[in-house]
Amino acid sequence: RKEVEQDPGPFNVPEGATVAFNCTYSNSASQSFFWYRQDCRKEPKLLMSVYSSGNEDGRFTAQLNRASQYISLLIRDSKLSDSATYLCVVKDSGKLIFGQGTELSVKP
Amino acid sequence: GAGVSQTPSNKVTEKGKYVELRCDPISGHTALYWYRQSLGQGPEFLIYFQGTGAADDSGLPNDRFFAVRPEGSVSTLKIQRTERGDSAVYLCASSLKDRVQNDLGEQFFGPGTRLTVL
Repeated sequence: RKEVEQDPGPFNVPEGATVAFNCTYSNSASQSFFWYRQDCRKEPKLLMSVYSSGNEDGRFTAQLNRASQYISLLIRDSKLSDSATYLCVVKDSGKLIFGQGTELSVKP
Repeated sequence: GAGVSQTPSNKVTEKGKYVELRCDPISGHTALYWYRQSLGQGPEFLIYFQGTGAADDSGLPNDRFFAVRPEGSVSTLKIQRTERGDSAVYLCASSLKDRVQNDLGEQFFGPGTRLTVL
């Protein structure tokens, strides 16, 4: 079983739609969680950290459920520019453990 | 300021050859990481350095892979006797230690080196 699992998609949604990505992780001792964004043939960039209390950054909301070892990302009012691959990430002793990534394509 | 830089951006080599991939971290970042990303997959950890020493090399797939950071800044990833399965994008990242949380801070990634082994 992979340490971090995501649905690879692709998710094809119209502009303005709300889309949710889910992720599970296997190490119950993990302490730090993130969502990274990766554009085609580019490097990953930090989108947001994920906290137990849930956190929001504009149209993006991240949630963490430690009991279920489950992380989510919600994107509201999606834009064409949101098209990218979204990587669920767990930090383990300094190193980042990435999920496979979920591809999002927002269409006009 | 300048971000993480990696050279070359692309490297094509033949099976069995030796390659070196270079990473220049953000100035002042004490931690440096190497990851490998195959097509359709997320990046996979290889090794990380705190200063000059390898703090964790558990991700190196076998003894053909070796990395150094002799002066605590630039790092070189070395691959001997390359195999077709080594073809991937090799990503380098660096971070500054977060003194408050005593944790390694946000990792900033370079653009990667695309390695193709024919």
